[in-house]
Amino acid sequence: SSKLTQPPSVSVSPGQTASITCSGDHLGERYPCWYQQKPGQSPILVIYQGTRRPSGIPERFSGSNSGITATLTISGTQPMDEADYYCQAWDSSSAWDVVFGGGTKLTVL
Amino acid sequence: QVQLQESGPGLVKPSQTLALTCTVSGGSISSGSNYWSWIRQPVGKGLEWIGRIYPSGSTNYNPSLRGRVTISVDTSKNQFSLKLSAVTAADTAVYYCARARAMTTPFDYWGQGTLVTVSS
Repeated sequence: SSKLTQPPSVSVSPGQTASITCSGDHLGERYPCWYQQKPGQSPILVIYQGTRRPSGIPERFSGSNSGITATLTISGTQPMDEADYYCQAWDSSSAWDVVFGGGTKLTVL
Repeated sequence: QVQLQESGPGLVKPSQTLALTCTVSGGSISSGSNYWSWIRQPVGKGLEWIGRIYPSGSTNYNPSLRGRVTISVDTSKNQFSLKLSAVTAADTAVYYCARARAMTTPFDYWGQGTLVTVSS
């Protein structure tokens, strides 16, 4: 299955570390990436190829990827990081169709 | 800086065809190995990939929408378009257009999104 599974919600206190997981078959081979979306805005890429960070994205955002799980980690979480986070990968069994996870609401409280 | 802008009707009647256009500025739609996608998001819900098109006109569609969706490109106008037929209320969503540099690369540029409501 190409499906990607994320927890619906994650809560973290300011300054602490938040971890958001994304699970799927052979995810380690499917170039996972992560997007941040705040209310009323378009998604913004924060991690690609599992671990790489685009220019302009704060260093507190990092990614890891192994086997069937990709993880987005936000170190020293700030209130501005409160948003929805989506993982995305490709389905190698189907013309590399794009697949999104269901999204995780990160609450900073 | 590449910019994408969606345009089209904000209200479509059930059973009719939804039609949107994405205009690309700041770069050529034909350059490199870019591909161009449509992605939608029902209000309060997650992202769903609709499909993509290459400048050559080659397309791939989400299997769940295959048969109702057509994506086309007009390189002379630097635009690509979406048509979704036989719409129902379930097709009500914010529709985004987006760019990826190549296969298995992420979407690095997105439009602002346009809300399309299916209602009589």
